[in-house]
Amino acid sequence: DAGITQSPRHKVTETGTPVTLRCHQTENHRYMYWYRQDPGHGLRLIHYSYGVKDTDKGEVSDGYSVSRSKTEDFLLTLESATSSQTSVYFCAISESGGLGTEAFFGQGTRLTVV
Amino acid sequence: DQQVKQNSPSLSVQEGRISILNCDYTNSMFDYFLWYKKYPAEGPTFLISISSIKDKNEDGRFTVFLNKSAKHLSLHIVPSQPGDSAVYFCAASEVQGAQKLVFGQGTRLTINP
Repeated sequence: DAGITQSPRHKVTETGTPVTLRCHQTENHRYMYWYRQDPGHGLRLIHYSYGVKDTDKGEVSDGYSVSRSKTEDFLLTLESATSSQTSVYFCAISESGGLGTEAFFGQGTRLTVV
Repeated sequence: DQQVKQNSPSLSVQEGRISILNCDYTNSMFDYFLWYKKYPAEGPTFLISISSIKDKNEDGRFTVFLNKSAKHLSLHIVPSQPGDSAVYFCAASEVQGAQKLVFGQGTRLTINP
C-alpha cells in the first residue's frame, strides 16, 4: 500500500466553523490531490499540488483552500463549513502525470457539517 | 456536465461468469483512461489503465477495451469472483503534468455465489 495517511478519519463540525484536513505521504511523490466523493457524482477534484507551495484549482474548488509547505503534507481547509460540504474526502498522490503512472488514494475522511 | 458517465449504477453477476462494466466520455481531449475499484470505508485502488493509442489492455482476469470513435470503454472481468464485489469507477485524464482525474459516478458490482 502507498504510504498515505489522512487525518482525521471522521469529523463532525458545525456550520460556519473552519476545518482543516491533513494528508501525509511517505512516498516523496511530487503530485498531491484532494477529491470529494458524493452520491451520483463519483469523485471530483477540489485542488491539487505539483510541488511545495505550488497548487492549483480543480473542478469544485469554491469554499476550499489548500497549502503545501512540505513535500509530504497537503492540507485542505474549509474556510467556513457549510452543509453542502458534507462529504467523504480523499487525498491522492502520484509520482508524475504521465502515461503508465497512476494515482494512489488514502482511506478517506468522512466529514459531516451540522 | 458530466464528462465521464457510467450509466449503470449497479450490476449483478453470477460467480464464474463474465462481468462487463461500461463507461462513456464526452471530452475528446482525454487520452488516458483508468479503472479503480473501491470497497466500503476504503480509498479507491487502481485496477487497470489504457492509453488512447491502444484499443485493449489485459491484466490477468481484467481487460479494458477502448473504442475512441464511440468514446466508450468497458472493463471485462472473467471469471468473476466474490471478492470482485465492489464499486468500480471509470476515470479519464489528459496527459499534461498533474494527473487530474475525471471520474464517472461508479457502478456497484455484486458477484453472487
